[in-house]
Amino acid sequence: QSALTQPRSVSGSPGQSVTISCTGTSSDVGGYNYVSWYQQHPGKAPKLMIYDVSKRPSGVPDRFSGSKSGNTASLTISGLQAEDEADYYCCSYAGSYTLYVFGTGTKVTVL
Amino acid sequence: EVQLVESGGGLVQPGRSLRLSCAASGFTFDDYAMHWVRQAPGKGLEWVSGISWNSGSIGYADSVKGRFTISRDNAKNSLYLQMNSLRAEDTALYYCAGAYSSSWGNWFDPWGQGTLVTVSS
Repeated sequence: QSALTQPRSVSGSPGQSVTISCTGTSSDVGGYNYVSWYQQHPGKAPKLMIYDVSKRPSGVPDRFSGSKSGNTASLTISGLQAEDEADYYCCSYAGSYTLYVFGTGTKVTVL
Repeated sequence: EVQLVESGGGLVQPGRSLRLSCAASGFTFDDYAMHWVRQAPGKGLEWVSGISWNSGSIGYADSVKGRFTISRDNAKNSLYLQMNSLRAEDTALYYCAGAYSSSWGNWFDPWGQGTLVTVSS
């Protein structure tokens, strides 16, 4: 099972919006509404930001939103803030054999 | 406070074994499936293995199948990963993570801080 494809990096100025794509196949992203997104600051554990494609856990700012179209999921950060600079990973359920596949990761830089 | 604390990592020679542990507190452990996710130095996240709340369902990534064994002890609020026949490519920070579910779970939360496994001669 190959990793989901994410852009290596995206950047934006404070207050702008950035969108990270996560492309898989019909066996993972396209086949289930079980895409989640994780934020990871250097030296820290990943933190859940979005689950079930578009749901936000309690405590996650509403600047973070998720969506999906076909085999591609997306994470949008609106009103970019300095503390949003981190690595972001998508993850999808991929069926009862493979179970889970993560994305390649995207570094978000706040200019 | 919800907490997962991994232990058992270290430096080990290729071909040898290591057992990781993860101690859970602050939440109802047997309401959660539990998983191991690893991250090689400077690389991305990779799902390794998962176990349902009652150990009735267990899964492994192809990269570790036949070499790693996951288990849990709900009475001790603990998760384990027995790693045999270790290879250099198993070198990584190993995280344990919970997934609220009666089966596998659709997302991972909470996460521990990780324990580092280095496989080298």
